[in-house]
Amino acid sequence: EAQVTQNPRYLITVTGKKLTVTCSQNMNHEYMSWYRQDPGLGLRQIYYSMNVEVTDKGDVPEGYKVSRKEKRNFPLILESPSPNQTSLYFCASRDPGTQNEKLFFGSGTQLSVL
Amino acid sequence: DAKTTQPPSMDCAEGRAANLPCNHSTISGNEYVYWYRQIHSQGPQYIIHGLKNNETNEMASLIITEDRKSSTLILPHATLRDTAVYYCIARYNFNKFYFGSGTKLNVKP
Repeated sequence: EAQVTQNPRYLITVTGKKLTVTCSQNMNHEYMSWYRQDPGLGLRQIYYSMNVEVTDKGDVPEGYKVSRKEKRNFPLILESPSPNQTSLYFCASRDPGTQNEKLFFGSGTQLSVL
Repeated sequence: DAKTTQPPSMDCAEGRAANLPCNHSTISGNEYVYWYRQIHSQGPQYIIHGLKNNETNEMASLIITEDRKSSTLILPHATLRDTAVYYCIARYNFNKFYFGSGTKLNVKP
């Protein structure tokens, strides 16, 4: 089954403790991206990647890092999490250059930073 | 950068058509408009997308004005399961997606 898998689904941590949220897709998509969603707001793009070793900032990249060493994986790294990064995070992938360029989303990761 | 604006909420009677408007007056000529919906806090689900022509699939129809400044998503026969937040999304600079705040559609029996 074609899917985007995020882990963990829920994460509670404390300020300053480095964490990684994993994202993996099995559709051989070149494009992957991360979003955060805060109450009452739409999704805001954090980072995206066009291919292996190619990443770029979205609209809200501060406090986040990403890496793309393999095509299928696109982890989101919070080196020193702060309470304002408490949010619902979504990973997505798509296959650019095709007619069906829709984004496929993961199930989300609810992060709480205390 | 392209932006989208939508009404925060709408009501629709079950079995009737739901027409959800979106303004995207700053979108450029080669930027697509996408519609997704989100039920509770699940991952957004794709509905439909288009560039300049009207589109229809098994879920919905998308009507884009000739000047491309606005569009309307039509759910032809809304059911209770269509209650969700609907996002009109502008894709800009090819790789960036602007979601906006979405419209909460309440389908009522």
